[in-house]
Amino acid sequence: SYELTQPPSVSVSPGQTARITCSGDALSKQYAYWYQQKPGQAPVLVIYKDSERPSGIPERFSGSSSGTTVTLTISGVQAEDEADYYCQSTDNIGLYVVFGGGTKLSVL
Amino acid sequence: QVQLVESGGGVVQPERSLRLSCAASGFTFRSYDMHWVRQAPGKGLDWVALIGYDGSNKNYADSVKGRFTISRDNSKNTLYLQMNSLRAEDTAIYYCARVIGVAGRPSYYFDLWGRGTLVTVSS
Repeated sequence: SYELTQPPSVSVSPGQTARITCSGDALSKQYAYWYQQKPGQAPVLVIYKDSERPSGIPERFSGSSSGTTVTLTISGVQAEDEADYYCQSTDNIGLYVVFGGGTKLSVL
Repeated sequence: QVQLVESGGGVVQPERSLRLSCAASGFTFRSYDMHWVRQAPGKGLDWVALIGYDGSNKNYADSVKGRFTISRDNSKNTLYLQMNSLRAEDTAIYYCARVIGVAGRPSYYFDLWGRGTLVTVSS
């Protein structure tokens, strides 16, 4: 089966840089996508195709990829960035979708 | 306004059935593949099923295969999820989501989500 692994939690102070990783064998061949989810709300796409940022997403959100690991970086973290973050990808033929387990970002 | 609105959730007993709907508006529904994604209380996102833009291509997560059926009515701009033989572990918020494909790769992502509808399976 295809799995994506994320750390359960990351904590940073306001203004610092948060890095959230997502690992999985298929990430060397498939793009990764990142979603932000705040309590009681639907997920929102923040990064697509490993490192592209949708319109309306602040520039402090960026993504990168290296081998089987992708990283979501939030520079100059703000209190409003506190949320759960999920990575997502697909299997090699696009028939299955997989999400990482999610990372809770706490802004201390 | 571009939006997806789910409905049909509620409390249902184990082994019973429920049908969810997702009404799309503000975009050309028939042009997009659509998916259902669920989230159990306090848990992460869990992909459920996909359907191609014209309904000809479908696939399901192993956990729901044989019990759930995804369908769509492009004349009504509506996506459905028929859920049979429900189990306690199917308790979740069910989201419908619009898909954007990546040219040249079997890769895609969700650019539009509904607010979800809660399904609770309990006796």
